[in-house]
Amino acid sequence: GAGVSQSPRYKVAKRGQDVALRCDPISGHVSLFWYQQALGQGPEFLTYFQNEAQLDKSGLPSDRFFAERPEGSVSTLKIQRTQQEDSAVYLCASSLVTPVGRAPTYEQYFGPGTRLTVT
Amino acid sequence: GQQVMQIPQYQHVQEGEDFTTYCNSSTTLSNIQWYKQRPGGHPVFLIQLVKSGEVKKQKRLTFQFGEAKKNSSLHITATQTTDVGTYFCRGSGNTGKLIFGQGTTLQVKP
Repeated sequence: GAGVSQSPRYKVAKRGQDVALRCDPISGHVSLFWYQQALGQGPEFLTYFQNEAQLDKSGLPSDRFFAERPEGSVSTLKIQRTQQEDSAVYLCASSLVTPVGRAPTYEQYFGPGTRLTVT
Repeated sequence: GQQVMQIPQYQHVQEGEDFTTYCNSSTTLSNIQWYKQRPGGHPVFLIQLVKSGEVKKQKRLTFQFGEAKKNSSLHITATQTTDVGTYFCRGSGNTGKLIFGQGTTLQVKP
């Protein structure tokens, strides 16, 4: 079946431009996560949705970062007035909350990421 | 704040040698997950550990969760070139925070 998809795969933006990054999670996955991964580093948590509710946005580095998931499926991460330090790979992951009565499993399925370069 | 430290950052081994990466948290974790990321790829889930002292095996990979649920290790026996990549642990704290370690990049010389 289809995995998590992200678009665009690569984005070059001039400093000060706004960008919008899209994530299509696996169909039926309730949870959706955004991460920022700098070169040579582990993914850094940005924000988390359960359905359309943004339950945790504590990782967003500034108010220039905004994420939404209005219908509980596709999500968009928007970065306003991009800065050079925003250059990174932005990863989206989704997970299926297991039914009640089974051992909790929060395996996350990652998309290929969007590589953002701010010049 | 909560931190997850992973060591070593890099490891070069000869094919056939063993490899271990360690993950240490500053606070107790409710569970820990391990992911592998190939060069140019995205993280792929390997396993999740939940119980204190838990040990799980996947072929040549052995995963351990410490008794205090503050540390974990991934051991690969007899590495192969297909094991090349960066291995990340991801801790989940009691507050629900998700924190990745910095990763250990494994290079295997044939």
